[in-house]
Amino acid sequence: DIQMTQSPSSLSASVGDKVTITCQASQDITNYVNWYQQRPGKAPKLLIYQTSNLEKGVPSRFSGSGSRTDFTFTISSLQPEDIATYYCQQYDDFPLTFGGGTRLEI
Amino acid sequence: QVQLVQSGAEMKKPGASVKVSCRTSGYPFGAFYVHWVRQAPGQGLEWLGRILPDSAGTAYSPKFQGRVTITRDMSIGTVYMELSSLRPDDTAVYYCARGDSLFDFWGQGTLVAVSS
Repeated sequence: DIQMTQSPSSLSASVGDKVTITCQASQDITNYVNWYQQRPGKAPKLLIYQTSNLEKGVPSRFSGSGSRTDFTFTISSLQPEDIATYYCQQYDDFPLTFGGGTRLEI
Repeated sequence: QVQLVQSGAEMKKPGASVKVSCRTSGYPFGAFYVHWVRQAPGQGLEWLGRILPDSAGTAYSPKFQGRVTITRDMSIGTVYMELSSLRPDDTAVYYCARGDSLFDFWGQGTLVAVSS
């Protein structure tokens, strides 16, 4: 299985801060990474697909970058509604796997 | 609009099986994969498998191979996930989600609790 190592596991930041989350794959996965937001008690929501593409309706303060084994998810200016847990997910190979999650607090 | 609506919470004893349904609407059912992802309490996300309704072709995580079966009913646009030989550590919220390599629409989740 491809392991997705996500860091940090938790993060505290202030409104307006720039926030960065990283995900490292255990092998080259080209650019086959998606990012999700999960608010407490809710299903995950797709934010970024194929490393850097913003899903329709997602605010432009969210972005993604990277390639091969190293990927980054960024919130350019943190908003109160961004309190959630964020997950990366690879789809280069089966089984599809997720990072361990980053819990974001304000 | 696209919707995935799951069946209600289940309580099961160890060794039993559970079958969770995911009723879809708002898109051509046969053309999109439907996946199953679970989340144990306070834990991360774990992929179980997927089905392409048009062909009924499936793929399963090796971790669950032999215990999980995903099927569909084309007449009512519904996908089912059955997990057998349940253990207490199968206690989780089970989600269905639509997509090929990404999950763009999700069900609301179904809690499956396994306890003696």
